[in-house]
Order: sequence, then C-alpha cells, then structure tokens
Amino acid sequence: GENVEQHPSTLSVQEGDSAVIKCTYSDSASNYFPWYKQELGKRPQLIIDIRSNVGEKKDQRIAVTLNKTAKHFSLHITETQPEDSAVYFCAASDNYGQNFVFGPGTRLSVLP
Amino acid sequence: DTAVSQTPKYLVTQMGNDKSIKCEQNLGHDTMYWYKQDSKKFLKIMFSYNNKELIINETVPNRFSPKSPDKAHLNLHINSLELGDSAVYFCASSQPGSEQFFGPGTRLTVL
Repeated sequence: GENVEQHPSTLSVQEGDSAVIKCTYSDSASNYFPWYKQELGKRPQLIIDIRSNVGEKKDQRIAVTLNKTAKHFSLHITETQPEDSAVYFCAASDNYGQNFVFGPGTRLSVLP
Repeated sequence: DTAVSQTPKYLVTQMGNDKSIKCEQNLGHDTMYWYKQDSKKFLKIMFSYNNKELIINETVPNRFSPKSPDKAHLNLHINSLELGDSAVYFCASSQPGSEQFFGPGTRLTVL
C-alpha cells in the first residue's frame, strides 16, 4: 500500500520568511496530492491540491510542486504570517480514493 | 447548511462501554471515511465506504464497526471501549480521488 513521509515534523520561521514542507510517496499509482491545514482544535481543511498531470500550482502565497518521477511533492508558503501557524498534512491518493494516505504532519510556527 | 456534521462533539465514557458516533454529509459524495487522530496529531484512516464497499484498515480492532444506513450517513460504533481509544475521531466525505471534507471531530475520552 501507499506510504507517505513528510519532513520536517516541526518548522519555525520568522514572519515574512518562506516555509517549505516536503513529502514523498511510494505508490506510483497515486495521482492526486492534496495539502491540508489544521488549526488548533479545528478540522483539517484543504488549502491546495495538485494532480499528476501538472508540475506546479499556485494560489496567492501558497504553491505546490510535484516531481512524479522522484515521487515527491512540496508545499511552499511565501511571506508567512502568524495565522499560517498550524499543522500541515500532505496526502496521496489514486483516482478511486481507496488508497488515501496522509503524511504524519508538520507543525509550522510563524514567529512575529 | 453544514457540509459534514458529527455528533456528539465530546464523548466521555467509562472503559468497557459501547458508544456510537454519528456522521452525516449533504454533499452528495459517494465515499465516506472515518479517521482517528491521536495526541501526536497523526491522522490514521480507519475505514472508507463507497457504494456499499467497505475498506478496512487492517490495524483497526474489530471492536470498531462502521454502519451506513444510506449514502449520506456513516456511523461509527465502538464496543468495549479501552483507554487507548481516547482520541479525536473525524468523519470525512469526498468524491473518489478528490478533496475530502472533514466533519468537526468528536473528542472521545475513555476513563
């Protein structure tokens, strides 16, 4: 089955700096790669996703890159703000959603 | 017009009891899931249910059983609760291979 690794487990950055979180996956059948943000005491919510036919996707300060050959994908947050502080999860899934696996999460702290 | 709802939000119970958590989605999604999030924040899938096909994570004890009366509901029943079952349980739904929408979570505490 699919195995998703995520690094780092914790990340502290100064406000205004960039943050990068990296994930690797094992199943070459995976072709959907979402990123979720979970604030303290809240539910995980999707912030951006990418499919395997695309190498990069941007949404304002957030971008995701995918290297399908190397089986890794990354989340980039620019101009970080205190409200970006949360736990971020990457995930990988096939088209059928039956092999949906989350990474272990990265706790991001943005220091004012 | 909540997309995915769960009840109860908090559940405190004694070891050995049986309890259920209810989940409903009004998004018309075909697939529903149950996740367990422990104190280290790991999100572990327990079950996925799609068109009456149940896929079980092999690590889930058989004290846990999902029950789906219809496509919009996937309830979680837990028998003989143990201390290690204490966690936050999230229900989610999606179309296959697309964004999952999570419920607000149920914090289960077993005493």
